[in-house]
Amino acid sequence: EPEVTQTPSHQVTQMGQEVILRCVPISNHLYFYWYRQILGQKVEFLVSFYNNEISEKSEIFDDQFSVERPDGSNFTLKIRSTKLEDSAMYFCASRTKRGGLAGDYEQYFGPGTRLTVT
Amino acid sequence: KQEVTQIPAALSVPEGENLVLNCSFTDSAIYNLQWFRQDPGKGLTSLLLIQSSQREQTSGRLNASLDKSSGRSTLYIAASQPGDSATYLCAVSSRGKLIFGQGTELSVKP
Repeated sequence: EPEVTQTPSHQVTQMGQEVILRCVPISNHLYFYWYRQILGQKVEFLVSFYNNEISEKSEIFDDQFSVERPDGSNFTLKIRSTKLEDSAMYFCASRTKRGGLAGDYEQYFGPGTRLTVT
Repeated sequence: KQEVTQIPAALSVPEGENLVLNCSFTDSAIYNLQWFRQDPGKGLTSLLLIQSSQREQTSGRLNASLDKSSGRSTLYIAASQPGDSATYLCAVSSRGKLIFGQGTELSVKP
């Protein structure tokens, strides 16, 4: 069964460093998302991406964050200058094209990347 | 602004019991609702998706219902097993993005 994959599974970085989190969405999916979950808190939406551009972003997704689909398979989240409060589990998700009157399709999540900023 | 709440926050039951997890949301203008399972330190596994036009969905021992007008969904787990122990999250789809509740931590005792 197709699945979303993410690398690395765990990333430790020092405050102020840049990190890139990588995701390979399911191959025929067209919508891509990043979410994060700070330990003990809710899963929060960060950004959605469709047709090579951001379609929506949350207040969390400030200028320190960027997303890119550099080729036909990868989807990346970059944090330019990490802060202690960026420590969280980051999840990538993907789904197929909008289903019209039937509504959106199911989102499939990757296993996550645990980011620890020291 | 859409808010999603799950009750109870934690639940402990003996093996074999049937149980219900609750999810409520403040804005009924949703596209669909998904229930997920999350094991400690792990990712999110999708269990069921209910389209906004549907009332319920079933998968094995799981049954999820949706009442859009009252802003509620329930996840019914029949004949619970210790392997069902996990955190269960509900999320509503609003213009594509998912908005999550804080989850119900379920413990099924042998």
